[in-house]
Amino acid sequence: DIQMTQSPSSVSASVGDRVTITCRASQGISSWLAWYQQKPGKAPKVLIYAASSLQSGVPSRFSGSGSGTDFTLTISSLQPEDFATYYCQQANSFPYTFGQGTKLEIK
Amino acid sequence: EVQLVQSGAEVKKPGESLKISCKGSGYSFTSYWIGWVRQMPGKGLEWMGIIYPGDSDTRYSPSFQGQVTISADKSISTAYLQWSSLKASDTAMYYCARFTDYSNYFDFWGQGTLVTVSS
Repeated sequence: DIQMTQSPSSVSASVGDRVTITCRASQGISSWLAWYQQKPGKAPKVLIYAASSLQSGVPSRFSGSGSGTDFTLTISSLQPEDFATYYCQQANSFPYTFGQGTKLEIK
Repeated sequence: EVQLVQSGAEVKKPGESLKISCKGSGYSFTSYWIGWVRQMPGKGLEWMGIIYPGDSDTRYSPSFQGQVTISADKSISTAYLQWSSLKASDTAMYYCARFTDYSNYFDFWGQGTLVTVSS
């Protein structure tokens, strides 16, 4: 299985801050990486697919980059509704594993 | 409008069997994979497996192979996740999600089914 490792596991930030979350794959996955946001009690929601493509309807303050083994999700200016848990997922080869999650908390 | 509607919460005893469902609508059910994702209380997302309803091709995570069965009935646009003998450790929220293999990601999710296994 491909292991996905996110860092940090949690981060505290303020409204307006720029935040970057990193995801590393244990082997190359080309650009087959997606980022999801999950709020408490809700199903996950896709933000970014194919490493850098913004899902329709997602604010442009979210962006993704990377290929191969190293990927980042950046939120350019945090808004109150962005405080949530974020997961990366590889879809290069079965099983399509998730990272362990990054909890974004209000400072 | 694409929708995935999952069956309701379940409370079961260890050793009992269970089948939960995920009904798709608003799209061609046979043209997209449906995956299942587990989330144990307070924990992260775990990819369990995926099925292509068009031909029932099914893939499992090694962690879940032999522990659950994924199936689909394309005549009623419904995918299933089933257990033959539940354990307390199966207590979790289970999500189904549509997978688009054009860009390889889960684009629509069900609302989740909470399964509680307790004696």
